[in-house]
Amino acid sequence: DAGVIQSPRHEVTEMGQEVTLRCKPISGHDYLFWYRQTMMRGLELLIYFNNNVPIDDSGMPEDRFSAKMPNASFSTLKIQPSEPRDSAVYFCASSPTGSSAQHFGDGTRLSIL
Amino acid sequence: GQQVMQIPQYQHVQEGEDFTTYCNSSTTLSNIQWYKQRPGGHPVFLIQLVKSGEVKKQKRLTFQFGEAKKNSSLHITATQTTDVGTYFCAGSGNQFYFGTGTSLTVIP
Repeated sequence: DAGVIQSPRHEVTEMGQEVTLRCKPISGHDYLFWYRQTMMRGLELLIYFNNNVPIDDSGMPEDRFSAKMPNASFSTLKIQPSEPRDSAVYFCASSPTGSSAQHFGDGTRLSIL
Repeated sequence: GQQVMQIPQYQHVQEGEDFTTYCNSSTTLSNIQWYKQRPGGHPVFLIQLVKSGEVKKQKRLTFQFGEAKKNSSLHITATQTTDVGTYFCAGSGNQFYFGTGTSLTVIP
């Protein structure tokens, strides 16, 4: 069975550029989560969706970050403009209704120079 | 705001020794989950505890949820090198938080 699929796996770009991270959740999962992981701050929940609707975006750092889920099989996390402090591993996770177990993708390792 | 802290931050054990990580929340949790992340990997769900005082076992792993539903522990008996990784608790209260994690190193 296909798990959560994230792309790209690695991204290196210069500060000021727009970055778009992509996620395909597991089919049938109603919840989708975006996390950021750094050594300093650990795993931070940025935003999560239920049935494509954003439920809690209180973890989104600032207006430079935006997330969308246009349909049940696709979500994006966008950073515009990017800054060096945005460098981190970004994970997407999904879970089905009735279960709290989250299934994580392999992550996108983002480096902003 | 709600915080979920774990101790210790790091633990080195000799293979065969036991290991325990503790998770403490500043607020009451509705449930708690445990995840394991191997170096360079992604978090993998291990288990969820819901009831006050609940204890669950998975082979050499024992998970407990405190009576007040504000703390939890993971105990590994007779560690093996395959147990290496970072163990996270994650709690649902008013919001969902991952704990700070405990990084386990097992020395062969």
